[in-house]
Amino acid sequence: GIQVEQSPPDLILQEGANSTLRCNFSDSVNNLQWFHQNPWGQLINLFYIPSGTKQNGRLSATTVATERYSLLYISSSQTTDSGVYFCAVELADSWGKLQFGAGTQVVVTP
Amino acid sequence: DTAVSQTPKYLVTQMGNDKSIKCEQNLGHDTMYWYKQDSKKFLKIMFSYNNKELIINETVPNRFSPKSPDKAHLNLHINSLELGDSAVYFCASSRQGRYGYTFGSGTRLTVV
Repeated sequence: GIQVEQSPPDLILQEGANSTLRCNFSDSVNNLQWFHQNPWGQLINLFYIPSGTKQNGRLSATTVATERYSLLYISSSQTTDSGVYFCAVELADSWGKLQFGAGTQVVVTP
Repeated sequence: DTAVSQTPKYLVTQMGNDKSIKCEQNLGHDTMYWYKQDSKKFLKIMFSYNNKELIINETVPNRFSPKSPDKAHLNLHINSLELGDSAVYFCASSRQGRYGYTFGSGTRLTVV
């Protein structure tokens, strides 16, 4: 099956710092999504990004499908950015089934 | 207004019992899912329904049975609960092939 690898596994940031999270995948995909799981366990969809670049406030994401990777940028991090960031990919003809990476645990300190 | 709502939020039960988790979405999505998140936070799909029809059934024990009475509801019934069933179960929905998922807030199941 497809492999979805996220790096780094853990990240500690001081408030105000910028960071980049990476997601590599081993096969062609239909789409890619980024999620944030906050410390209370809620999973929030950040981006639906099969290719190209999108921005949402201090967050932006870029997917280069031909090279099988995606990047999530966090700028001017805040303590509310803490949590686990998941990348998930959907294969063609998989009826929306998402294959998740193991996540990047982010801790933003004041 | 909650877009995808799951009940209950917490469930503590003894081994051998039968329990159900309910899920409802008001987004007009045509596809609903059950995912299981284990103690290491790994998320894996269990089932998916599209317009009330089962379309994905991963290798899940027969003790787990999903039911979709209509396209806005997807319930999960678990028979003869085992210790290894302890996990967080997430319901989600999407519009097939077009948009991202919306997840419910999860049900933390603890089997003792």
